Amino acid sequence: DVVLTQSPLSLPVTLGQPASISCRSSQGLVFSDGDTFLNWFQQRPGQSPRRLIYKISERDSGVPDRFSGSGSGTDFTLKISRVEAEDVGVYYCMQGTHWPWTFGQGTRVEIK
Amino acid sequence: EVQLVESGGGLVQPGGSLRLSCAASGFSFSIYWMNWVRQAPGKGLEWVANIKPDGSEKYYVDSVKGRFTVSRDNTKNSLYLQMNSLRAEDTAVYYCARDSRAIAYWGQGTLVTVSS
Repeated sequence: DVVLTQSPLSLPVTLGQPASISCRSSQGLVFSDGDTFLNWFQQRPGQSPRRLIYKISERDSGVPDRFSGSGSGTDFTLKISRVEAEDVGVYYCMQGTHWPWTFGQGTRVEIK
Repeated sequence: EVQLVESGGGLVQPGGSLRLSCAASGFSFSIYWMNWVRQAPGKGLEWVANIKPDGSEKYYVDSVKGRFTVSRDNTKNSLYLQMNSLRAEDTAVYYCARDSRAIAYWGQGTLVTVSS
């Protein structure tokens, strides 16, 4: 199975400051059709996960543009340009290229 | 608006069975892959199973193979998960989720507790 390793696992951030989460894959994630199915989810306390980014860098409708995704091959990054209070929660990367789909361990973002 | 509403969770003894349901609305259910994803208390997300739009292909994580069965009824816009031989480690919130390689929508989840 593909192992996704996120870092850091805990990320205290000052309001208005940037944040960055890394997701490293044990295998390349390029699918046979050329797409890379690396997705990012946000899970606020007490809520279901919500997709933020799909295929590395495509932002979902309604997701603030302070969220961005980048990367290629086995190294991927989620960036928040200026953290707001509503961004508190756990962030997961997920790969949908190789069966079975797998998630990273999650990164907890909190306000300092 | 896409809505996924899970039901059927509860307390069950080890070795017991439970059937989860997911009622879908707000989209053409019959053309989408559907998934079950679970989250143990205080833990991360684990993809469990999914099923092709016409039900002809099903995939499972190794830990549930032979015990869980995913199915769907496109006439009722519903997804199911039959869980047999339940173990303590199956305790989790089970989410119904839409789409295949880039899961887009999630339900609110239903809690399954396996305990004596």
